[in-house]
Amino acid sequence: DVKVTQSSRYLVKRTGEKVFLECVQDMDHENMFWYRQDPGLGLRLIYFSYDVKMKEKGDIPEGYSVSREKKERFSLILESASTNQTSMYLCASSLDGYGYTFGSGTRLTVV
Amino acid sequence: DQQVKQNSPSLSVQEGRISILNCDYTNSMFDYFLWYKKYPAEGPTFLISISSIKDKNEDGRFTVFLNKSAKHLSLHIVPSQPGDSAVYFCAAGDSNYQLIWGAGTKLIIKP
Repeated sequence: DVKVTQSSRYLVKRTGEKVFLECVQDMDHENMFWYRQDPGLGLRLIYFSYDVKMKEKGDIPEGYSVSREKKERFSLILESASTNQTSMYLCASSLDGYGYTFGSGTRLTVV
Repeated sequence: DQQVKQNSPSLSVQEGRISILNCDYTNSMFDYFLWYKKYPAEGPTFLISISSIKDKNEDGRFTVFLNKSAKHLSLHIVPSQPGDSAVYFCAAGDSNYQLIWGAGTKLIIKP
């Protein structure tokens, strides 16, 4: 089974801090995605990547950046955390098509 | 403007009865539809899907119906079991293999 691992289940950070969320997948998937999930809003795409060193903006990229230096690792960076970035962050990967596999999520609280 | 809508934030169903979860979409170019299930503190997991060339797909207790003229799909769970209590997300796929997500419906199965 494909495994998508997010490094932290829960994080508490202070406003203005730089935050790194790490995601690693172990099945050589080309495509990786970062979403945030908020009540009543579903999953919103922040950034995605179809290949190493490649990145594309999703629907809500403001305040975020990403890094994909290796195929298996896709990092989400909050340059200067703000309270409105308090959310559940979900990483997903897929080989092709619509078969997304998600990590368990990181619950980030910015205080 | 939400392209995929799940208008019921929550649904409560008696154990053993049928659960029907609904989803509406606005973009007639969507060619694939999926349902994902999410437990608290876990990532979404794939449940069932349907291509736009079909009107029904069945997998055990789960059936998805697609009505293209109404731009509506529904997920039927029969019989409902306590383990089905979760948040269900409807997602629609475009030709770029990106998914557009609904806001989710929380299903509660009562004993």
